[in-house]
Amino acid sequence: SQQGEEDPQALSIQEGENATMNCSYKTSINNLQWYRQNSGRGLVHLILIRSNEREKHSGRLRVTLDTSKKSSSLLITASRAADTASYFCATQETSGSRLTFGEGTQLTVNP
Amino acid sequence: EAQVTQNPRYLITVTGKKLTVTCSQNMNHEYMSWYRQDPGLGLRQIYYSMNVEVTDKGDVPEGYKVSRKEKRNFPLILESPSPNQTSLYFCASTWGLATDTQYFGPGTRLTVL
Repeated sequence: SQQGEEDPQALSIQEGENATMNCSYKTSINNLQWYRQNSGRGLVHLILIRSNEREKHSGRLRVTLDTSKKSSSLLITASRAADTASYFCATQETSGSRLTFGEGTQLTVNP
Repeated sequence: EAQVTQNPRYLITVTGKKLTVTCSQNMNHEYMSWYRQDPGLGLRQIYYSMNVEVTDKGDVPEGYKVSRKEKRNFPLILESPSPNQTSLYFCASTWGLATDTQYFGPGTRLTVL
């Protein structure tokens, strides 16, 4: 089964609103990464948060990590139509060296 | 421009006809990997390579082969493709550790009839 699971599976909002996506995982991790994928294209790295970090910002992105709850959230503020994409979390378990991806959240931002 | 390239981008083939999907990166990355993406299953790792001549199985290696003779290239080989290998394939590379930021290729959409 997937290590990371995103929630919700799909999210539709209006331009200007904030979008929040969540990721839960099962085992201890070294870090958690968020990626974005436009339809049918390659994934693009957005942000990496390490297990000893609780929050990280990058432009309009804010990522939080709660290792006690084994969960992370990605907040996109002041969303734009161009933010429409699928967003994936990926975790690197402490017991291994590979990244494991979740199934993604499909975000639609309506103009 | 730093990038990961894949060829072909689209391929329709028939069961049993051997094919190779090429992957090349120009960033001198040591770590490269192949993923397949299927609806409802997310990305699953097929094979990865930590350096030249070092390859290992990922989560779904059955029916695939890889080679890493040069640092920049990491081809994915399907010796005898089957319809269940119809999927969207991505190659990715990273500097040193699998956990660093991964750079993805544009994807190869494969259909096996």
